[in-house]
Amino acid sequence: KAGVTQTPRYLIKTRGQQVTLSCSPISGHRSVSWYQQTPGQGLQFLFEYFSETQRNKGNFPGRFSGRQFSNSRSEMNVSTLELGDSALYLCASSSGNTDTQYFGPGTRLTVL
Amino acid sequence: GESVGLHLPTLSVQEGDNSIINCAYSNSASDYFIWYKQESGKGPQFIIDIRSNMDKRQGQRVTVLLNKTVKHLSLQIAATQPGDSAVYFCAEIAGGTSYGKLTFGQGTILTVHP
Repeated sequence: KAGVTQTPRYLIKTRGQQVTLSCSPISGHRSVSWYQQTPGQGLQFLFEYFSETQRNKGNFPGRFSGRQFSNSRSEMNVSTLELGDSALYLCASSSGNTDTQYFGPGTRLTVL
Repeated sequence: GESVGLHLPTLSVQEGDNSIINCAYSNSASDYFIWYKQESGKGPQFIIDIRSNMDKRQGQRVTVLLNKTVKHLSLQIAATQPGDSAVYFCAEIAGGTSYGKLTFGQGTILTVHP
């Protein structure tokens, strides 16, 4: 079975721009969670989608949004980028709520 | 609360030694715990998990111990190898409406010397 894939792997943007990141879960997994990883804050939960519905959201501003498609693929969008948004964005998929989450390689976003 | 400017604990061991990595969790409602290994430039890799109705679980060269009384989790790695060098994270998830939300510890840097 193929693992979780994320595209692109690297992105460089400037302040004020917006960005869209993509995640394809493991086949058969319907839950996709997104995390932000920074040296200062560690791994922090952004949101979770299941069957195209956002079921949970972390403490991030509304500039961070996401969606999930009928094939369980998910995208997250960050609008009006700030320098502090530079981070590794990870997505993870699982088959249910308290089942093991498997992570993709991440998208490294750099905001200049 | 959130910490600022994380300073990760470090553990240095010799190849062949056993390693023990500890983690304290705060949510008594957490009922599922996972250990992940993260190598530089990669996403976290699943190592082993344990549910709250257990206190010990063993995998290949790894053992996880859960002490719910003091809210403590540990990962034991037997015969540590240089390839085990990485950052190790514990993560917890509560049942109910915590949908998909893993809460991670700060991580521990494990360095294995040949």
